[in-house]
Amino acid sequence: GDSVTQMEGPVTLSEEAFLTINCTYTATGYPSLFWYVQYPGEGLQLLLKATKADDKGSNKGFEATYRKETTSFHLEKGSVQVSDSAVYFCALGTGNQFYFGTGTSLTVIP
Amino acid sequence: NAGVTQTPKFQVLKTGQSMTLQCAQDMNHEYMSWYRQDPGMGLRLIHYSVGAGITDQGEVPNGYNVSRSTTEDFPLRLLSAAPSQTSVYFCASSRGAGQGGRTEAFFGQGTRLTVV
Repeated sequence: GDSVTQMEGPVTLSEEAFLTINCTYTATGYPSLFWYVQYPGEGLQLLLKATKADDKGSNKGFEATYRKETTSFHLEKGSVQVSDSAVYFCALGTGNQFYFGTGTSLTVIP
Repeated sequence: NAGVTQTPKFQVLKTGQSMTLQCAQDMNHEYMSWYRQDPGMGLRLIHYSVGAGITDQGEVPNGYNVSRSTTEDFPLRLLSAAPSQTSVYFCASSRGAGQGGRTEAFFGQGTRLTVV
C-alpha cells in the first residue's frame, strides 16, 4: 500500500547549518507530496508541496523536489535559524487519503 | 479567515465516559478527516469523509464514530473512553483530488484528550 518513510530524529543543528531531512515514498498512481511543519502546541501547517514529478516546492528558504525515479522528496534548507525548530512531517496525498511520516524533530541552537 | 476550528482544545475524561470532539471548516471542502497523534507514531487516520453523508474508516477506527450531515461539520464521538485513547486529535479538510493527487490538507489546532 501507499506509505511514507522519513528520517528518524531528533536532529540538532547549529544556526546557519545546512539541513536535509530525507523522505521516501511508496505509491501507486500519481500522488501529491507535501512537507508540513508543527510548532509546539499547534496543528500542522503546510510548508511546501509538489504535485508532479520534477516539481520543486519552496517556501521560507526550504525546498524539496519530487523525484519519481528515486521515489523521494527530501527537505533541504541552506541556513537554518533558531525559529525553524519544530517537527517536520513528510506526507503523500492520493485518492481519498493522506499518508504521513512519523515526523522529524529539529532543534536549532544559537 | 477561520479555516478549520476544533473544540475543545483540552479535555479530561474518566474511563467509560463519552464525548464528542467538534470540527468545523468554512472553506467548502469536500474531504474531512480525523487523526490521532501519539509520540513516535506520527499521525494515524481514524475516520474520513469525502462529502456529506459519506464516511469511511481509516487505520484506527475502533472506539470512535463519525457522521457528516453537512459539508462544514465532522464531529468525532468517543463512545466509551479508554486510557488508550489519550492522545492529541487533529481534524483536517481539503478540496477534492486533482488528476490523482490530493490537494493539501488544512489542520485544526488540535484537541488534547486525557482519559483517566
